[in-house]
Amino acid sequence: EVQLVESGGGLVQPGGSLRLSCLGSGFTFSRHGMHWVRQAPGKALEFVSAVTNNGASAYYADSVKGRFTISRSNSKSTLYLQMSSLRPEDTAVYFCVRWDNAMDVWGQGTTVTVSS
Amino acid sequence: EIVMTQSPATLSVSPGEGATLSCRASQSISSKLAWYRQKPGQAPRLLIYGASTRATAIPARFSGSGSGTEFTLTITSLQSEDFAVYYCQQYDNWPLTFGGGTKVEIK
Repeated sequence: EVQLVESGGGLVQPGGSLRLSCLGSGFTFSRHGMHWVRQAPGKALEFVSAVTNNGASAYYADSVKGRFTISRSNSKSTLYLQMSSLRPEDTAVYFCVRWDNAMDVWGQGTTVTVSS
Repeated sequence: EIVMTQSPATLSVSPGEGATLSCRASQSISSKLAWYRQKPGQAPRLLIYGASTRATAIPARFSGSGSGTEFTLTITSLQSEDFAVYYCQQYDNWPLTFGGGTKVEIK
């Protein structure tokens, strides 16, 4: 079964840092670009970041550029999102997503809450 | 950044009836458009990519059309699981962008 499982979410104070992880299984992880998408409570989906299958290129939403860093370990089938200088508006469920023609496989999400 | 605008925001439909959802891009995106359905408390699910290609295991009651800046998702004979929020997404330019969503509710 193709699966993505996120971890690392939690409560963090404004200005703090957090690292999210996403473990992929049931498919050849190194063949796919991977994305992070977030959804604030009651709001629409928002693209956060993406990385190519070999990790050579990364893309970011303007709202997180310079604060978040996406990376991957193909040997561990794991995607990461290093988040720093967190703001209350970063509060959301963060989804890990596989790319294959579109966002074809989604994890269940991990919740990040930025609050004092 | 390409802005995606979905209409209507809410659509009230009776079970068994059809629904037509619209999505407009602020500039041409060719056919680089996907549709997703999100049920409450769940992750989104891919329905359509390339504007009109159904994803794996998506039933034929879902169809997509359009190119350039105007796109449509048509659902015939709505089932209970179809009452949800639908998002369009462009993947022609970075950053990828989503529309604000259309909620399909039971009339």
